[in-house]
Amino acid sequence: DVKVTQSSRYLVKRTGEKVFLECVQDMDHENMFWYRQDPGLGLRLIYFSYDVKMKEKGDIPEGYSVSREKKERFSLILESASTNQTSMYLCASSPSLPEGLEAFFGQGTRLTVV
Amino acid sequence: DQQVKQNSPSLSVQEGRISILNCDYTNSMFDYFLWYKKYPAEGPTFLISISSIKDKNEDGRFTVFLNKSAKHLSLHIVPSQPGDSAVYFCAASMNTGNQFYFGTGTSLTVIP
Repeated sequence: DVKVTQSSRYLVKRTGEKVFLECVQDMDHENMFWYRQDPGLGLRLIYFSYDVKMKEKGDIPEGYSVSREKKERFSLILESASTNQTSMYLCASSPSLPEGLEAFFGQGTRLTVV
Repeated sequence: DQQVKQNSPSLSVQEGRISILNCDYTNSMFDYFLWYKKYPAEGPTFLISISSIKDKNEDGRFTVFLNKSAKHLSLHIVPSQPGDSAVYFCAASMNTGNQFYFGTGTSLTVIP
């Protein structure tokens, strides 16, 4: 079974703090993603990475950065947390073709910025 | 600009009846489509997919239909069960597989 593990289920942080969300996958997948889920907006892609040290901006990268130093780990960084970054954050991984096209998700991190 | 749209935010169905969830897309380059199911406070789980070379894919109670000319896909659940109550997201990808575009989700409630 593919396992994608996010470091925290729930986080509460203060405005202006630097926040790190960690994600680890154990299936040697090339691709990793960070999404946020907000009511009525679905899943919006923040950043993705298709290889170690490679990153691509998604639809809403502003206020975020990412790091992928090892294949299995993809970190999302909120440089200076703001209340509008309160959301559910979802990490996912997927293999590259021809192995498959499904993305596998972690359990999510509910971040509250106060 | 939302490339994948789910125009029904919610749907209620009686247990045992059919649930039909709809999804529309705008980008004709999409060639792979997926449905995910999400319970509150959990990550989405993969349900079923379909390639653009097919128009139907079936897995147990779940069937996905694809109409490429209309840029429309639908998920049928028959018979619906209370445990199917969740938010369903459709997603689309191009054959590079390294980016997925999600709809806004449809919250399904199956009434016992």
